[in-house]
Amino acid sequence: DTGVSQDPRHKITKRGQNVTFRCDPISEHNRLYWYRQTLGQGPEFLTYFQNEAQLEKSRLLSDRFSAERPKGSFSTLEIQRTEQGDSAMYLCASSLSSERDRHVYNEQFFGPGTRLTVL
Amino acid sequence: DAKTTQPPSMDCAEGRAANLPCNHSTISGNEYVYWYRQIHSQGPQYIIHGLKNNETNEMASLIITEDRKSSTLILPHATLRDTAVYYCIVRVKKNTGFQKLVFGTGTRLLVSP
Repeated sequence: DTGVSQDPRHKITKRGQNVTFRCDPISEHNRLYWYRQTLGQGPEFLTYFQNEAQLEKSRLLSDRFSAERPKGSFSTLEIQRTEQGDSAMYLCASSLSSERDRHVYNEQFFGPGTRLTVL
Repeated sequence: DAKTTQPPSMDCAEGRAANLPCNHSTISGNEYVYWYRQIHSQGPQYIIHGLKNNETNEMASLIITEDRKSSTLILPHATLRDTAVYYCIVRVKKNTGFQKLVFGTGTRLLVSP
C-alpha cells in the first residue's frame, strides 16, 4: 500500500454513460497525476495538478474527459458519454515537490488504479 | 522525449541476479534514467534513478554506460515477488520541474523457483 487510494477499484458501465473516479493522494503531496493503461501497454500520461491547478493535459484527454482537484487534496476524473475505447485501467499518482527541490526528483507514488470496462 | 528500448520478456531463476537492459541512445545530457516496476494488478512502483553514475539502493543497482546510451537494472538476488513488468523511463523535464513519465511496454520478468 503506497498511501494513494482510488475508488472504485472496478467499474463496469454501458456505452454512453458518465463515470467518475476518485483519487486520494498521500496527504502532504502537492502534485497529482492521472495516467491511463490499456492491456499490454505501459501507462500513458493524461493530466497533472500542482495543488488545485491543472497545469498539463495530454492530447489523449479529449473533451469528454475532465479532471478536478478542487481543494488541492483529492481529485476526480470524469468521463462523459463513455465509449468502448475508454476501457482501461486509470491510475493516479502523487508526489511531493517544493521550489527548493525543483531540480530534485521526487518519486511518484501510484495508487492501485480503477479498472473501467465499457460494454 | 528520448525513447527507450527493452526486451519484451526475460526469465530468471530465484536467488540469481536479474540483469534487465535498456537502450536509450537518444538521451540528452540533462535527462535521467528511471526504473519503475509494475506487479500484476498494482500501480507502478519506483525502483531507482540515475544520471551518469552508477546507483544502488535497497532494491536494486543501476549501471549506466559511459556514453549514457544504455543502462542495466540489476536485482542481485531475485525472488518470486520480483516477477513484474519493469519499465525503463527517460525523464522529461520542464522549467516548472514537472516530471512527466513516458512509459514504454517494459520487460516482463518472470522469476521461477
